[in-house]
Amino acid sequence: SQQGEEDPQALSIQEGENATMNCSYKTSINNLQWYRQNSGRGLVHLILIRSNEREKHSGRLRVTLDTSKKSSSLLITASRAADTASYFCATDTPGAYSGGGADGLTFGKGTHLIIQP
Amino acid sequence: EPEVTQTPSHQVTQMGQEVILRCVPISNHLYFYWYRQILGQKVEFLVSFYNNEISEKSEIFDDQFSVERPDGSNFTLKIRSTKLEDSAMYFCASSGVELGLNYGYTFGSGTRLTVV
Repeated sequence: SQQGEEDPQALSIQEGENATMNCSYKTSINNLQWYRQNSGRGLVHLILIRSNEREKHSGRLRVTLDTSKKSSSLLITASRAADTASYFCATDTPGAYSGGGADGLTFGKGTHLIIQP
Repeated sequence: EPEVTQTPSHQVTQMGQEVILRCVPISNHLYFYWYRQILGQKVEFLVSFYNNEISEKSEIFDDQFSVERPDGSNFTLKIRSTKLEDSAMYFCASSGVELGLNYGYTFGSGTRLTVV
C-alpha cells in the first residue's frame, strides 16, 4: 500500500451511528493528520497526532495511532448528516521530498463518508 | 478564525500560457505550501517555502513551476507554460512557527485551474 492509504474507500451509515476510518502508512512519520473535504471545497484540518502519542480526542472525534502497526484510525461518534464528506489522512514523513526542510504532507486517497438521515 | 485566502477561485487558460495563482497565508505563519488535486485523485504536495526560499519540493514541481513571496502578505505559484495535465485544484496552505503543534496546516479553498 502507499503511504497514507485509507480504508474503506467508501462508508455509508445511518445518522447517529459511529463511523470508523482507518489509515495505513509505510515509513516512519513525525505526525499524522486527518482532514475533511466537502465536495469541491478546501481541506479542513481535524486532528494532528504526533508519533509519540497514541490517542487524541476533539469533540466527537477520536484518533488513535499505532506506530508499531503503522496505522491510525479516525472515529466519529454520533454521526450527523453534516459529517458527510471525504476524510483524508496525511503523513508528515521525514525525507519524503527533496530539500530536507518543512515537510510536505503525503495524503491518502480518502474515505468517502455518507451519513444517511 | 484566521483564513488562508486564494484568488482566483476559478481560472481558465489556454495551453502554453503562463498563470499565477495567488494566496494570502495567515499573517503570523512562517511556512507556506502549495498542493494540487487532480479531479478524482489524491491531494499532492508541490512545494514548501520558508524564510523566503524553497524548503522542500516534490517531483511534480519541475522547472515549469516557481513560487514567490513578493511582499509581506502574498504567496504566489507561477506555472510558466501550462499543459493540459496541469488542470487541477491548487491549494495553498500555511502553518505556524513550530510544526507539530496541535493545529496542523490551514488550507485555502483552492483555485480550480482549467487548461484548454
